[in-house]
Amino acid sequence: AQRVTQPEKLLSVFKGAPVELKCNYSYSGSPELFWYVQYSRQRLQLLLRHISRESIKGFTADLNKGETSFHLKKPFAQEEDSAMYYCALRFGGNMLTFGGGTRLMVKP
Amino acid sequence: GAVVSQHPSRVICKSGTSVKIECRSLDFQATTMFWYRQFPKQSLMLMATSNEGSKATYEQGVEKDKFLINHASLTLSTLTVTSAHPEDSSFYICSAPSGGIGTDTQYFGPGTRLTVL
Repeated sequence: AQRVTQPEKLLSVFKGAPVELKCNYSYSGSPELFWYVQYSRQRLQLLLRHISRESIKGFTADLNKGETSFHLKKPFAQEEDSAMYYCALRFGGNMLTFGGGTRLMVKP
Repeated sequence: GAVVSQHPSRVICKSGTSVKIECRSLDFQATTMFWYRQFPKQSLMLMATSNEGSKATYEQGVEKDKFLINHASLTLSTLTVTSAHPEDSSFYICSAPSGGIGTDTQYFGPGTRLTVL
């Protein structure tokens, strides 16, 4: 069965510091991974997907099949990055399974 | 961009009553919609896949007679929590992919907070 693990429930950094939100997955098929973000009082929204290999709001994530990881990184955190971040794995068409989420707090 | 709405945003009901939650895709059609449940400080758990024109597909451990799903049209799916009990209190979220089967862009509704007294 598919599984997504985010080992950190809370990550607190100072503004300007690098940030890395960890995500590991287990899946027997070919993985498609995403990062979703939920800002305070807003709905969940897509941040980025591994297929696009894009940088959104300064965030990047590389799929490492050897380590079965898809960590989210940003070199210089901003206060507006404070939010809940969910790593998700797509399986069976359009179904998503989510990790437990990591709350990122960026302190001034 | 694509927008998904949910109604109501919050509902409080007495134990034993049924509650209906609507999920609508506002500017696109969705043959498939997904229902999630989120407990406080926990992640989203997929409950079921709502399919237009056919029966919903439920995840393991989700009671289909408890959580009735009807995909009435290409823009509307409803989740009815029947004979609700306090343990059903949760945050229910729907999502829909925009662009058809295989599209990986899921749009999420704002969620419905259900409180059963």
